[in-house]
Amino acid sequence: DVKVTQSSRYLVKRTGEKVFLECVQDMDHENMFWYRQDPGLGLRLIYFSYDVKMKEKGDIPEGYSVSREKKERFSLILESASTNQTSMYLCASSLHERNQPQHFGDGTRLSIL
Amino acid sequence: AQSVTQLGSHVSVSEGALVLLRCNYSSSVPPYLFWYVQYPNQGLQLLLKYTTGATLVKGINGFEAEFKKSETSFHLTKPSAHMSDAAEYFCAVKDTGKLIFGQGTTLQVKP
Repeated sequence: DVKVTQSSRYLVKRTGEKVFLECVQDMDHENMFWYRQDPGLGLRLIYFSYDVKMKEKGDIPEGYSVSREKKERFSLILESASTNQTSMYLCASSLHERNQPQHFGDGTRLSIL
Repeated sequence: AQSVTQLGSHVSVSEGALVLLRCNYSSSVPPYLFWYVQYPNQGLQLLLKYTTGATLVKGINGFEAEFKKSETSFHLTKPSAHMSDAAEYFCAVKDTGKLIFGQGTTLQVKP
């Protein structure tokens, strides 16, 4: 089974802090994704990556950056956390082929105080 | 651009009743379609997928979905609801490498 592991289930940070959310997958997937999920807004794509050192902006990249130095790891960075970034963050990975599903981690519930 | 519409943000059924969650999509190319389930405070779990071949797709936990090209639909069904089916359900269509999600349907199961 595919395993996508997010480093924290719950995280509390202060406004202005630099925040790192880590995601690791163990199935040699080429593609990795970061979403945020908010009530009433569904899942929104922040960034994705098709390969090591490659990144593409999703629908809501503002205030975020990403890093993919190794194939199995995809990090989401909040450069200066703000209260409106309080949310559930979900990481996913998939093989490159179009007919392949994405596999999700358990999510990180991030609170910015 | 591809899109997904889930009709009904909340669906309530009695335990043992039929579950029907509706999903319509728009796509300019043959679609790859997915249903996911999310239990509280968890990530999304793949229920089933349609890529090619048989239009009736069986998934986990007794769910199935039928791809109807003429109706651009991919509705999710289960003959008999169980209390453990209470969750949020997402329909999605694959667009190049990305998934386009519907807004989700919360399923409530009443005893």
